[in-house]
Amino acid sequence: AQSVTQLGSHVSVSEGALVLLRCNYSSSVPPYLFWYVQYPNQGLQLLLKYTTGATLVKGINGFEAEFKKSETSFHLTKPSAHMSDAAEYFCAVRRGSTLGRLYFGRGTQLTVWP
Amino acid sequence: DAGVTQSPTHLIKTRGQQVTLRCSPKSGHDTVSWYQQALGQGPQFIFQYYEEEERQRGNFPDRFSGHQFPNYSSELNVNALLLGDSALYLCASSLGTGGQPQHFGDGTRLSIL
Repeated sequence: AQSVTQLGSHVSVSEGALVLLRCNYSSSVPPYLFWYVQYPNQGLQLLLKYTTGATLVKGINGFEAEFKKSETSFHLTKPSAHMSDAAEYFCAVRRGSTLGRLYFGRGTQLTVWP
Repeated sequence: DAGVTQSPTHLIKTRGQQVTLRCSPKSGHDTVSWYQQALGQGPQFIFQYYEEEERQRGNFPDRFSGHQFPNYSSELNVNALLLGDSALYLCASSLGTGGQPQHFGDGTRLSIL
């Protein structure tokens, strides 16, 4: 079975501070992992993805995530938060490359204080 | 390059009614997936359509049905609406059923009174 756990439903940081959003997954086969961002009243926008290869993945808007198989984690980081980063972030897993269904975590709301 | 478009953006229905939501995939995409996002939750997979057939289905009752047209657009139909069907319904498109990431529309907000 596939599942995704996002630790912390709300994270608050000051502008310029490090952003760390946690995601742990369970998967019966090698996973494909994704981070999406959702701004108010909008759909989901892909930030980055891990399929195979390099375990440190760089995405848009300065975000990156590292796939750690031993820890079954795919945490999202950004060195310096910006006010425009305030949004809801979702981690998602897909079972390999043959099936398109995404399993999402419950999301983490990121607040950035000036 | 048009992204995924969904209509309508908002919809209000009463219990027992039926509703149809529509989705046009991103240009060049041939696969459409539907998700339900309840308030404060992550999206839940409803089903996926490819080559006009339902290829995968999540844990949703038969009241939820869909269709894909030859131009790859898709409809989601929900019958006998319940209060619990109130949610944001998201459509996602991709090229093929595996490997490529899904691109999401802005969703249809469905409210059941």
